[in-house]
Formats: sequence, C-alpha cells, structure tokens
Amino acid sequence: QLQLQESGPGLVKPSETLSLTCTVSGGSISSSSYYWGWIRQPPGKGLQWIGSIFYDGSTYYNPSLKSRVTISADTSKNQFSLKLSSVTAADTAVYYCARRAAVGRKIDYWGQGTLVTVSS
Amino acid sequence: DIQMTQSPSSLSASVGDRVTITCRASQYISSYLNWYQLKPGKAPKLLIYEASSLQSGVPSRFSGSGSGTDFTLTISGLQPEDFATYYCQQSYNTPYTFGRGTKLEIK
Repeated sequence: QLQLQESGPGLVKPSETLSLTCTVSGGSISSSSYYWGWIRQPPGKGLQWIGSIFYDGSTYYNPSLKSRVTISADTSKNQFSLKLSSVTAADTAVYYCARRAAVGRKIDYWGQGTLVTVSS
Repeated sequence: DIQMTQSPSSLSASVGDRVTITCRASQYISSYLNWYQLKPGKAPKLLIYEASSLQSGVPSRFSGSGSGTDFTLTISGLQPEDFATYYCQQSYNTPYTFGRGTKLEIK
C-alpha cells in the first residue's frame, strides 16, 4: 500500500523559506507512470495545486507561485521536496504531498497533510 | 485558470439519504473531473476520476456523472463515515483547480 508522509517545520518566519519533504513508501518515485506533487489549503479556503515533479526531473509550477517555488527529488531516499521562498502569512496552510497519474491525471494518493504557519 | 463552482457549499442529511453535489467548470473540460473526500487529520481520498469512474476500493454508493462543464457526485444511502467535505477538481488544463468544497453534515 502506497503511503506518503510530509515532514518539516510547522512554523516559519515571514520572508524566510518554507521547506517540506515527502517520504514515499510502498512505491518508487522513479516510476514513469506518476508525477509527484504538492497541494495546499489555507485555513477556511480551497485547495491549490502548487506543482509537481516527474521521474525525469522535469517540473511544473503553478504560475501564481512559480517565482517562489522549487520542487526537487532525491530518488536514493525515495523523497521529494518543496521549497517556497519569501513566505508571508498568506502562505499559512495545510500542505499535502500527493501522487498524480501520468495517464488520466487523477490524484490517487495523498499524504495526511502538515500545517505550516507563517508567523514571527 | 479554469474556475470550478461547487454547490451547495454545505448540506445536511441523514443516514440512508441520497445526496447530490454539483460542480460546474468555467470552460469545457471534457471528462477530466475528479472528486475527493476530505476529513480532518486524514489523507484525502479519491472517490471518482474522469467524471464517472469509481476508484478502486471506493464503495459503489458513490457515483459520478457529467461531461463538458457540468458534473455531479451522488451518494446513495449515506453512511456515518460519509460525513465529510467533498471537492471537485479539473485535470483538463494546468494549473489544475479545485472547487471550494461541499461540507456534508449530519442532520
């Protein structure tokens, strides 16, 4: 059974960089059948697709966040990571990592999510 | 970006009821529409993909329909574990976008 688990600081100061890691078990992020991505949900608001990475290292970023986002992968650890720079209170959210099928594009597995609060 | 409009935003129902949630896309998305169930502290769960295909392991009381711009999620015979928040999501164009959610509460 595939499992995804987010990890990282729960509190980040304004203007600093938010860093999260997703550890995947029960499957390989090197598979050409899936993209690995990040989604967030600010308190009381809707879900937002942040971006994704493919097995070949190619990435897609939501244009609204593109200037501040970097997604990378460490295949030796079966992990992928999110960095979001210059954060503000508006970046406070539950951050989910997820797997998206390359064909059909369904997001079929998600992590439980981790709350990141931006505050001084 | 494609806007996804869900209705209602909240819904009260009883165990055993049949409920329907609708989702409308701001432009044509073919059948690239997925439905998810979210519960606090738990991993979101894919219910329906490509508008009407039931994800493996999901009970058959969940069903989806629609194409183009208008879609529905129906739950026939609500169970206690179904009280949650439901989201639609389009995967036709990037950036993928979600509806604002429908919170299903116990009456």
